[in-house]
Amino acid sequence: SQTIHQWPATLVQPVGSPLSLECTVEGTSNPNLYWYRQAAGRGLQLLFYSVGIGQISSEVPQNLSASRPQDRQFILSSKKLLLSDSGFYLCAWSGGHGAPADTQYFGPGTRLTVL
Amino acid sequence: AQKITQTQPGMFVQEKEAVTLDCTYDTSDQSYGLFWYKQPSSGEMIFLIYQGSYDEQNATEGRYSLNFQKARKSANLVISASQLGDSAMYFCAMRGIIQGAQKLVFGQGTRLTINP
Repeated sequence: SQTIHQWPATLVQPVGSPLSLECTVEGTSNPNLYWYRQAAGRGLQLLFYSVGIGQISSEVPQNLSASRPQDRQFILSSKKLLLSDSGFYLCAWSGGHGAPADTQYFGPGTRLTVL
Repeated sequence: AQKITQTQPGMFVQEKEAVTLDCTYDTSDQSYGLFWYKQPSSGEMIFLIYQGSYDEQNATEGRYSLNFQKARKSANLVISASQLGDSAMYFCAMRGIIQGAQKLVFGQGTRLTINP
């Protein structure tokens, strides 16, 4: 069966510091991968998606970037965090065989607080 | 552009009662998909149920069913015999193809509280 991991689970960082959040998927190959951000009490905003190694599409302009160095690894980064980067970051994957119509399956999330 | 509207920010239901969570959508696509996710306090988004725009039958998955009314562009989630563990945020989402890629657009969510 497929599983998706994210780490760290929680992170407190000062403004201006760098960021690296990691997401890995097991049990599948060539998944589509996604990064979302969720502000407190709100819906999800798609930040980045990737359909293959090295292929990244950005949804919104921001000081975050994403990379996919391996087939099942997706990394969210920033060189200098802003207060507005605080939130809950969710990674998701899709493309599972037998799943209905490109269902996205989510990881446990990373709660980021920028102080 | 696709848009999902969930008009109930919060709902309170007695345990064992059925509950309906509303979702309306807007799209110009002929082919689309609708999803419901549950987000407990732990934060993880859990896939519950899917309805395709061409599906003739309403989707069902255990205690979850989807009341799909295509002409009204609504896809309400029905939870039968609610349980305390059903307390969570519930999100309706639509799959669309944007710039050649499949993407999900989410509503703002409904917070469901089940009272004992």
